[in-house]
Amino acid sequence: DTAVSQTPKYLVTQMGNDKSIKCEQNLGHDTMYWYKQDSKKFLKIMFSYNNKELIINETVPNRFSPKSPDKAHLNLHINSLELGDSAVYFCASSQAAGELFFGEGSRLTVL
Amino acid sequence: DQQVKQNSPSLSVQEGRISILNCDYTNSMFDYFLWYKKYPAEGPTFLISISSIKDKNEDGRFTVFLNKSAKHLSLHIVPSQPGDSAVYFCAASVGYGGATNKLIFGTGTLLAVQP
Repeated sequence: DTAVSQTPKYLVTQMGNDKSIKCEQNLGHDTMYWYKQDSKKFLKIMFSYNNKELIINETVPNRFSPKSPDKAHLNLHINSLELGDSAVYFCASSQAAGELFFGEGSRLTVL
Repeated sequence: DQQVKQNSPSLSVQEGRISILNCDYTNSMFDYFLWYKKYPAEGPTFLISISSIKDKNEDGRFTVFLNKSAKHLSLHIVPSQPGDSAVYFCAASVGYGGATNKLIFGTGTLLAVQP
């Protein structure tokens, strides 16, 4: 029974397409995040939501749009995909400002 | 601008010996520090943390030391076991009014524990 689950785990798509990654947590946490791990292995925060409210929005292109329908879900939609969007995207959750629990990651490859 | 640095990309240690992983940071506003462990094709998992008001925290085989004046922290694993082989990420946090946690990660150190 996975605590933070992401789908899909692998995604291969063409430049210019639109894609979504879904995330769900069953830990009862109030806060959810999206992190991006690029080819240099940097793990960088993209967004943070607390009780469906956007708290952190790093300098991410507005082609990336997170959506939190409820506090257990945080989805990431990406429009007009570019080569540089290829990365592993990690969803995470925490109880307020406590330690983060990460999902297994979604590897996005843009061709 | 890399605020959290792990200057050793890899470390190899014999089973049973001590592993010491190092991390340096530049932002004096960081108030909470964490270590995460990551196996291939899995997400990072929380290992141990330390508040900026402490200089040491111990949990079983894992001890984290914080030297605020040097802006340096280290993770000690004693004794090291082959199952400890993984990438270790150092992370530092700036609180956001308690509602969320912005973790800034280092680039990781790959630890290999040789049997």
